Amino acid sequence: GAVVSQHPSWVICKSGTSVKIECRSLDFQATTMFWYRQFPKQSLMLMATSNEGSKATYEQGVEKDKFLINHASLTLSTLTVTSAHPEDSSFYICSASPSDYEQYFGPGTRLTVT
Amino acid sequence: EDQVTQSPEALRLQEGESSSLNCSYTVSGLRGLFWYRQDPGKGPEFLFTLYSAGEEKEKERLKATLTKKESFLHITAPKPEDSATYLCAVQAGEWSEKLVFGKGTKLTVNP
Repeated sequence: GAVVSQHPSWVICKSGTSVKIECRSLDFQATTMFWYRQFPKQSLMLMATSNEGSKATYEQGVEKDKFLINHASLTLSTLTVTSAHPEDSSFYICSASPSDYEQYFGPGTRLTVT
Repeated sequence: EDQVTQSPEALRLQEGESSSLNCSYTVSGLRGLFWYRQDPGKGPEFLFTLYSAGEEKEKERLKATLTKKESFLHITAPKPEDSATYLCAVQAGEWSEKLVFGKGTKLTVNP
């Protein structure tokens, strides 16, 4: 149980284009989902908290207009990287929680911006 | 500010050589401490949640313990398949679900 999926698993895009990443909880409902970014050999940094039916809460230093988050249902959240640049290349990971405590993570999406 | 420090950064063991990983934390009101395993290019895999000092949890060769200032992940008789980065995270504050992660310990178990 507690399976989280992400799609796509990897994506390459050109600078200036937008990319959408999906995060789904497969066997539970999640009112809250989280988006993290992980640079090589570094730990996970929380970007934003996504709540179903309301606006996402962004961490300090994360541009809300660049990283658009939509929590459309209790099982789906999307992250759109708008006008991507090479510095946005990273490993993006989502997590979802079936309760107030444990968070289960997706397999991650490797984004490369050329 | 909530902080999590993991040590060592990297650890090499021979198969069967038991050891411990450390996670020290400073938070304002601990809700829970989490251990995850992360393989290269993959998302973290949930291992344990500890809620209060003195609590212990076990899973196969892994045992996690918690005190008021730190947590240990004990690995008994490790196997090469235990090689991974082990992440520690804390959840603090009465209502927050936010996780603050340490930088991880990269464990390599040689056959």
